[in-house]
Amino acid sequence: GDSVTQMEGPVTLSEEAFLTINCTYTATGYPSLFWYVQYPGEGLQLLLKATKADDKGSNKGFEATYRKETTSFHLEKGSVQVSDSAVYFCALRNTNAGKSTFGDGTTLTVKP
Amino acid sequence: EAQVTQNPRYLITVTGKKLTVTCSQNMNHEYMSWYRQDPGLGLRQIYYSMNVEVTDKGDVPEGYKVSRKEKRNFPLILESPSPNQTSLYFCASSHGWADPANTGELFFGEGSRLTVL
Repeated sequence: GDSVTQMEGPVTLSEEAFLTINCTYTATGYPSLFWYVQYPGEGLQLLLKATKADDKGSNKGFEATYRKETTSFHLEKGSVQVSDSAVYFCALRNTNAGKSTFGDGTTLTVKP
Repeated sequence: EAQVTQNPRYLITVTGKKLTVTCSQNMNHEYMSWYRQDPGLGLRQIYYSMNVEVTDKGDVPEGYKVSRKEKRNFPLILESPSPNQTSLYFCASSHGWADPANTGELFFGEGSRLTVL
């Protein structure tokens, strides 16, 4: 079956540091890939997505590129802020599939 | 405002006492799904529904029931809750795959924290 493997956390960074959270996947077909973010006490919300190979998703300074050859979708941000502290989930979803597959989540804490 | 609404947000109950967690969406989405979130295990899918009267098991359906009698509602039923069902539950919805507006994005509720003693 499909699976998503995320970099283990927690991750602690200083403000303005560079962020990378690794995500690799195994899937049949050609899934869409997503990063969701969960702020404390809230539900998940979409951060960015990519629907086909070589697509780059971006939002709020975060970026991720769909790499089919390495089955990866790593999340990056050049300069993190305290407000970026949250749990980040990598996920995939196949066309016409009812199931979505999520990684275990990576907790990011940014210190001033 | 477009949203997915879950109730209750917090609940403490005892083993064996039937309970229902409601989920309602106002976006006319065809697809709805339930997840549980546990430390170290991420999000695991319980059940999903591709449309009214159509439901399917996710990865961890044991001990749960669902129904989809109306497009907007997708309640999660625990007939006889047990302590291992203590968890944070999320309902999510999205457009159907055939819908031109579909991007695959899931819209989540704020979560329901359930404790079974």
